[in-house]
Amino acid sequence: TQLLEQSPQFLSIQEGENLTVYCNSSSVFSSLQWYRQEPGEGPVLLVTVVTGGEVKKLKRLTFQFGDARKDSSLHITAAQPGDTGLYLCAGDGVSSASKIIFGSGTRLSIRP
Amino acid sequence: NAGVTQTPKFQVLKTGQSMTLQCAQDMNHNSMYWYRQDPGMGLRLIYYSASEGTTDKGEVPNGYNVSRLNKREFSLRLESAAPSQTSVYFCASTRDSISYEQYFGPGTRLTVT
Repeated sequence: TQLLEQSPQFLSIQEGENLTVYCNSSSVFSSLQWYRQEPGEGPVLLVTVVTGGEVKKLKRLTFQFGDARKDSSLHITAAQPGDTGLYLCAGDGVSSASKIIFGSGTRLSIRP
Repeated sequence: NAGVTQTPKFQVLKTGQSMTLQCAQDMNHNSMYWYRQDPGMGLRLIYYSASEGTTDKGEVPNGYNVSRLNKREFSLRLESAAPSQTSVYFCASTRDSISYEQYFGPGTRLTVT
């Protein structure tokens, strides 16, 4: 069974601090996506990483895909209250029933 | 463009009742998906439709049926609701079946008592 494990599950930090959240698997993925979900809304796509070792930046957010394409990280610099939300990673599954696999998410809270 | 829309936003059902969740997208996407989201379990795929006229089971299809009415619309039906189906349901779409970049609707919060 393919699994995407995200850590930590919960993170509460002060505004201005840096943080990293992780998405790990024993399986290889052709691509990984990161989403942010705010309360009462659907997930919103942030980025897709495709190539092993790839780094993508989105303002203060830096996404990295592991060299072996089994893991990914999201680093936020100088976190702001607007970064609060549930961060989900997702990857392509190998079976039709598991077409897209989602991790259970990291719930991030930024204190002003 | 509205993107992906879902109705209703909230619903309360009694055990054994039936209902249909509606989803529509205006992005001319070929593929559409239904997920449920439960605390601590992320998003789990119920059914998907790779293209108009086709549907396939996902990870948790039991107790649900779907209809791909046309390219825009993909509905999810609960024939006899059970408390275990209490969840938040999300519809999503992708450009095609080999794209993994999903666009989600705002969700339907369903409670079955």
